[in-house]
Amino acid sequence: AQTVTQSQPEMSVQEAETVTLSCTYDTSESDYYLFWYKQPPSRQMILVIRQEAYKQQNATENRFSVNFQKAAKSFSLKISDSQLGDAAMYFCAYRSAISKLTFGKGITLSVRP
Amino acid sequence: DVKVTQSSRYLVKRTGEKVFLECVQDMDHENMFWYRQDPGLGLRLIYFSYDVKMKEKGDIPEGYSVSREKKERFSLILESASTNQTSMYLCASIRDRAYTGELFFGEGSRLTVL
Repeated sequence: AQTVTQSQPEMSVQEAETVTLSCTYDTSESDYYLFWYKQPPSRQMILVIRQEAYKQQNATENRFSVNFQKAAKSFSLKISDSQLGDAAMYFCAYRSAISKLTFGKGITLSVRP
Repeated sequence: DVKVTQSSRYLVKRTGEKVFLECVQDMDHENMFWYRQDPGLGLRLIYFSYDVKMKEKGDIPEGYSVSREKKERFSLILESASTNQTSMYLCASIRDRAYTGELFFGEGSRLTVL
């Protein structure tokens, strides 16, 4: 079964600085999708960014970008120019055509003003 | 513009009570899910449904059942609530069966069983 590992339970970043959240996964498949979801305190979870494994180019969405290393099975999220509103729990997730969506355990990001 | 609505944000129930958690989506999505979120365990799939009256077990279905009588509504039922079912419950939906796109979540229902 596919597994998604977020080894750091918590991280902290200074406002306006850059932070990287790590995620690794285990799979024997070659075609799959990876996601980062954000869950703000007491608010609904939303999609931050998505990466298709067959695309070599790393996905970017404004201040959010990923470092996708397929051979290393690593999918980290970089948040640039961190803002107070970025404080949330972030979940990494994996999905393929034959496996269900699998989430990591999440990481709590705090932003220091 | 709320797209997935969970009827109760906070519930407190007694052990042995029957509990209904309701979820409604207004995006005409075929696929709906119930997850349970616990600290240090992430999200775990309880049940999902890919069509009306269709349901499939997820990773932790024990102690739960579901109902999907209409496309927009997916209910989670705890037949006899127990204290170990105290948790945050998240409903989600997605359009495509392959669900490689965006999953839309509700705000969650925090259940406490005393």
